Amino acid sequence: NAGVMQNPRHLVRRRGQEARLRCSPMKGHSHVYWYRQLPEEGLKFMVYLQKENIIDESGMPKERFSAEFPKEGPSILRIQQVVRGDSAAYFCASSPTGLGANVLTFGAGSRLTVL
Amino acid sequence: GQQVMQIPQYQHVQEGEDFTTYCNSSTTLSNIQWYKQRPGGHPVFLIQLVKSGEVKKQKRLTFQFGEAKKNSSLHITATQTTDVGTYFCAGRGGGADGLTFGKGTHLIIQP
Repeated sequence: NAGVMQNPRHLVRRRGQEARLRCSPMKGHSHVYWYRQLPEEGLKFMVYLQKENIIDESGMPKERFSAEFPKEGPSILRIQQVVRGDSAAYFCASSPTGLGANVLTFGAGSRLTVL
Repeated sequence: GQQVMQIPQYQHVQEGEDFTTYCNSSTTLSNIQWYKQRPGGHPVFLIQLVKSGEVKKQKRLTFQFGEAKKNSSLHITATQTTDVGTYFCAGRGGGADGLTFGKGTHLIIQP
């Protein structure tokens, strides 16, 4: 009974390259959330998606960042033209539905380092 | 937008001492959740509080939700080295789908 699967666990990119982070939700979960965590900081909400729909992207930077959750396959967080400030841990979480009382199950995170 | 504040940011205790972290929201919450993140790990759900004034216990951990549903606390009795980590509260306002997390309280235990 696999939990939330994220890959890669660690990613190193040079400034200007693209980073793609993937997240497969728990079996039976159709809602995916992406959070960013800087060292010694809290979790900052980025985006909430259902299959083929972006429900809330109020936490996403307006430029260079995009997210999708296609009908088939994992959710992808894409960061174009990475800068050093993008270095962080990116956590994906999933829930069975989007109802307010749902608990989030987090993946192990993808740690992005931009050189 | 909704803000969730947590204090203290860091707490050093001797093993066996008690620990408390406090969480305050700028708006009324529909529910509040608590998560624990071990060093190098990912957040793991601990508990959810929904009702005004609710108190829940998990062994040495006691969670409270304020009467106005704008604040919460987590109290750990007689800390152990396994309690080390960062404790986050996370709240949902009315109509909001994404959880807003506090910055967390880092618990450091000295043996």
